[in-house]
This record gives sequence, C-alpha cells and structure tokens, in this order.
Amino acid sequence: KAGVTQTPRYLIKTRGQQVTLSCSPISGHRSVSWYQQTPGQGLQFLFEYFSETQRNKGNFPGRFSGRQFSNSRSEMNVSTLELGDSALYLCASSLANGGISREQYFGPGTRLTVT
Amino acid sequence: GNSVTQMEGPVTLSEEAFLTINCTYTATGYPSLFWYVQYPGEGLQLLLKATKADDKGSNKGFEATYRKETTSFHLEKGSVQVSDSAVYFCALKDNNNDMRFGAGTRLTVKP
Repeated sequence: KAGVTQTPRYLIKTRGQQVTLSCSPISGHRSVSWYQQTPGQGLQFLFEYFSETQRNKGNFPGRFSGRQFSNSRSEMNVSTLELGDSALYLCASSLANGGISREQYFGPGTRLTVT
Repeated sequence: GNSVTQMEGPVTLSEEAFLTINCTYTATGYPSLFWYVQYPGEGLQLLLKATKADDKGSNKGFEATYRKETTSFHLEKGSVQVSDSAVYFCALKDNNNDMRFGAGTRLTVKP
C-alpha cells in the first residue's frame, strides 16, 4: 500500500505570494491533518479534515486554509506569504474518524522557503 | 489543555549505550500515547504506541510503558546503534482526536 504522498517536496516563494500544497493520504484513510514544523516552534497543528469537513483547527492566522476533496486528498493554501512561514509542512492521514488509538501516518513533507 | 513535555536534547551516546528519553504528559481522561521518529529529510514514522495504562509499546528494540500514576511514557533502548540517530517525538491523542506532540529530542549515536 502506498504511503502518504506530498507534492511538491520543495518550494521557494517570495514574500506576498501564495502557495498551495497537496497531500494524498493512504488509500482508505479519510482523516488528513496538517502540521507546520520549524526549528523554533517544533510541530504545530494546523488543521484536520475528515469527510471534506474541517474538524479541528490550530492557532494559525486566516492566511492558512485548507480543504479536502471527496477522494480524501487534501490541499492547504497559504496566502500573503511571510518569511516566518518558511517551514516543513507535514501531512498525516489516519484510518477513520474517532478511534483514540488510531495512529497517524506522515508524508515526507513539503519544504517551503519564503525569500 | 493537553500537552507533552520531552527531555531537551540533543542527546549524544556511543554505540551500544543505553538510551532513555523522558516524556511526561498532561491530559484529561485516558489518552493514547505514541513515539514517533524522524530521520533526516523525512517525515515522522510511528515507532510504538500504548493505548491504556500499564501497556508497553515496543518496536525495533525500543520500549515505552504507559504510566498513568506518573503521567509518563519514557522511551528506552538497551543498546543503541548509529542508525538510531534521529529526532524522537512523544505524542498523545485524546478522545477528541486532538493530537499533541512534544518538542522532539535529537539523538546522535557515535560509533
């Protein structure tokens, strides 16, 4: 079974631009979560989608948004990029809604650099 | 709210040394606990998990026991290898599917 895939793997953008990152979960997984990883802040939760609905949202400004499609693929968008948005963006999928013991499976991440 | 606290790194050990990475948590109810590992340039991989008190998760020689009385989930390995060099994250998941990660502990194992 293929793992979680994220595209693109690397991205360089300029301040003020916007960017869209894509995540394809493991087949059969309906929950997709996004995280931002930086050396200073560690892993920070952005949002989680299940069945095309946002279930949870972290403490990030409205410039960060996401969506999930009917095939469970997800995208996240960051508008008006700032230098501080440079980070590794990780996507994780899990099997179903609920299920406290359900672990998340992570993709390799998209490395975003804002100049 | 829920939170996870890990021992600060970096941790540097010689090959075959004993490893302990401390992890404590704060949560209401009975969360599930996880250890993830991140190798350079990669995403996180699940290393082990425990879903109830006194459960022991184990994988690849690593172990961690869910201790509710001390709210801890310390990661241990009896003999580390150079290939274990990575960043280790402790995490919890509560009944609301809220996932929280610790700050990560960087382990370097020298030959």
